[in-house]
Amino acid sequence: DAGVTQSPTHLIKTRGQQVTLRCSPKSGHDTVSWYQQALGQGPQFIFQYYEEEERQRGNFPDRFSGHQFPNYSSELNVNALLLGDSALYLCASSLGLAGGLSSYNEQFFGPGTRLTVL
Amino acid sequence: GEDVEQSLFLSVREGDSSVINCTYTDSSSTYLYWYKQEPGAGLQLLTYIFSNMDMKQDQRLTVLLNKKDKHLSLRIADTQTGDSAIYFCAEIVYGQNFVFGPGTRLSVLP
Repeated sequence: DAGVTQSPTHLIKTRGQQVTLRCSPKSGHDTVSWYQQALGQGPQFIFQYYEEEERQRGNFPDRFSGHQFPNYSSELNVNALLLGDSALYLCASSLGLAGGLSSYNEQFFGPGTRLTVL
Repeated sequence: GEDVEQSLFLSVREGDSSVINCTYTDSSSTYLYWYKQEPGAGLQLLTYIFSNMDMKQDQRLTVLLNKKDKHLSLRIADTQTGDSAIYFCAEIVYGQNFVFGPGTRLSVLP
């Protein structure tokens, strides 16, 4: 059973460019969350997708957008890249929306995509 | 508001116990988690505790929760070199998503 997979592993872009990162959730999971982890910091929540809609969003500008496909895979798009967007982008999958009381909402994380903006 | 704080570094000798501490601010937290991140890898869930529990033990791991002080700790017994990693405390609030602390880098000395 494949866990969460992300592509590409590494990516180098220049300021102003656009980037698309991809995530395939763990088998049986229907919810995908994206996190940004800057060097030396903890992951920061970007947004969460469930049933092909953005359900929750963290404190990130509109340059960050996403999509979820019918097979539950997801993309993260970042427009007009800034130097400060350089980070490890983590995808996590789970069953159902986070924050419910019925389960502990375990999120399984992928290995991440390392984005460098020059 | 949501904020999770941790000390950034901890160094212990192999075989000793490690205690990693975390404080959080949101009293509405439902679950609290400990994740481990090894170099170049994603996050691995180590253990979690529901907010109505005080303690949870899982093999070498013991989690203590003090809701009054909003303090969470992770104790690793008989710490091994393979335990060297960054440990993240995280909370989840009903209806919201995960909030992670900055991580504690654990170094295990031989």
